[in-house]
Amino acid sequence: DARVTQTPRHKVTEMGQEVTMRCQPILGHNTVFWYRQTMMQGLELLAYFRNRAPLDDSGMPKDRFSAEMPDATLATLKIQPSEPRDSAVYFCASRWENIQYFGAGTRLSVL
Amino acid sequence: DQQVKQNSPSLSVQEGRISILNCDYTNSMFDYFLWYKKYPAEGPTFLISISSIKDKNEDGRFTVFLNKSAKHLSLHIVPSQPGDSAVYFCAASVQGAGGTSYGKLTFGQGTILTVHP
Repeated sequence: DARVTQTPRHKVTEMGQEVTMRCQPILGHNTVFWYRQTMMQGLELLAYFRNRAPLDDSGMPKDRFSAEMPDATLATLKIQPSEPRDSAVYFCASRWENIQYFGAGTRLSVL
Repeated sequence: DQQVKQNSPSLSVQEGRISILNCDYTNSMFDYFLWYKKYPAEGPTFLISISSIKDKNEDGRFTVFLNKSAKHLSLHIVPSQPGDSAVYFCAASVQGAGGTSYGKLTFGQGTILTVHP
């Protein structure tokens, strides 16, 4: 049963700390997306990669967020320094043909 | 600028009846539309999709209708079951020939469906 795996599932941290979220896409899927879900904004696209190359990260606050895909089995999203307004659920998705398959998300709370 | 809108935040339906969830879009470049279902503490799960060359797609109890002239799509669930209670997201993308968006999805805000036994 192939699925997108995200770690950690929950993260509580203090303002100013670095946060790293990880995503393992489904094997063979070459396009990977990062989304953030908040009550106010719904599901918003942060960044996405194709064949590990970043295509668009215009949805991310550039000064504190960074996204990378060091290899085909790992995508990372980092926040440094974190702020309370970053509290949200972060989803990773990988794409096959026209469908995106989502992980279970990382729930981030910044105190 | 919200390009995909789900104007009903919530919908309550009796078990066995039809659920109709609606979605409007503004970007005429969108040519592929999807519905996702989301349970609490889980990621969105793909439900059904439709290409702009069709006006209807059916999969079991789920049917999606697309009205391109009105820039409107709807999801029908018949019959509704209590297990269908979830948040439903409409999403749209540009997939057409020569496109470089690689399936980037624009989501609506979601509709909470509650099916009562």
